[in-house]
Amino acid sequence: EVQLVETGGGLIQPGGSLRLSCAASGLTVSSNYMIWVRQAPGKGLEWVSLIYDGGNTYYADSVKGRFIISRDNSKNTLYLQMNSLRAEDTALYYCARVASGPVDCWGQGTLVTVSS
Amino acid sequence: QVVLTQSPSASASLGVSVKLTCTLSSGYKSYAIAWHQQQPEKGPRYLMKVNSDGSHRKGDGIPDRFSGSSSGAERYLTISSLQSEDEADYYCQTWGTGIVVFGGGTKLTVL
Repeated sequence: EVQLVETGGGLIQPGGSLRLSCAASGLTVSSNYMIWVRQAPGKGLEWVSLIYDGGNTYYADSVKGRFIISRDNSKNTLYLQMNSLRAEDTALYYCARVASGPVDCWGQGTLVTVSS
Repeated sequence: QVVLTQSPSASASLGVSVKLTCTLSSGYKSYAIAWHQQQPEKGPRYLMKVNSDGSHRKGDGIPDRFSGSSSGAERYLTISSLQSEDEADYYCQTWGTGIVVFGGGTKLTVL
């Protein structure tokens, strides 16, 4: 069974940094396209970042230059380093697998709250 | 860049069918999409992929009551024999090189 478990969320002040982790089981992170998606309170789903199996990375304009997606193959874990956090980054953050286009597997999410 | 448009809300009575629509922006009517369900206070769940020719492939464990179809730039999710647990937000999603796009979601109310 494929499972994605996000951790690392919490309350952080504006301008601060946070690193989210997504531990995978039942799939190999480095062999898949993996993404981060966020959902602000009461809002819809917003794609944040994508990493291809080959290592190429992509970002939504709203986070470009502030967030970094990466992975640790030895730990089979996906990361999202979030810097210069803003109030508008407050959201539930999900990691997910992209299977030839569709997102076919979701984690349960980790909540990030940016507030002073 | 592709944009997906969904009606914000829909409603239907228990036991009947409902058809939700996702519209691809101009120039992208050949794109496939995926449908996802998000029940209240839960994470999203993948339902199916719908191709431009109307064929669809469902995720594991998705009931037969859920089906997909297409017409031009529109992609549909039909839920038959509506049940109370179908009350949820439904999102369509597509993709391109280096990008993933979600529609704004449709909140389905089961009356």
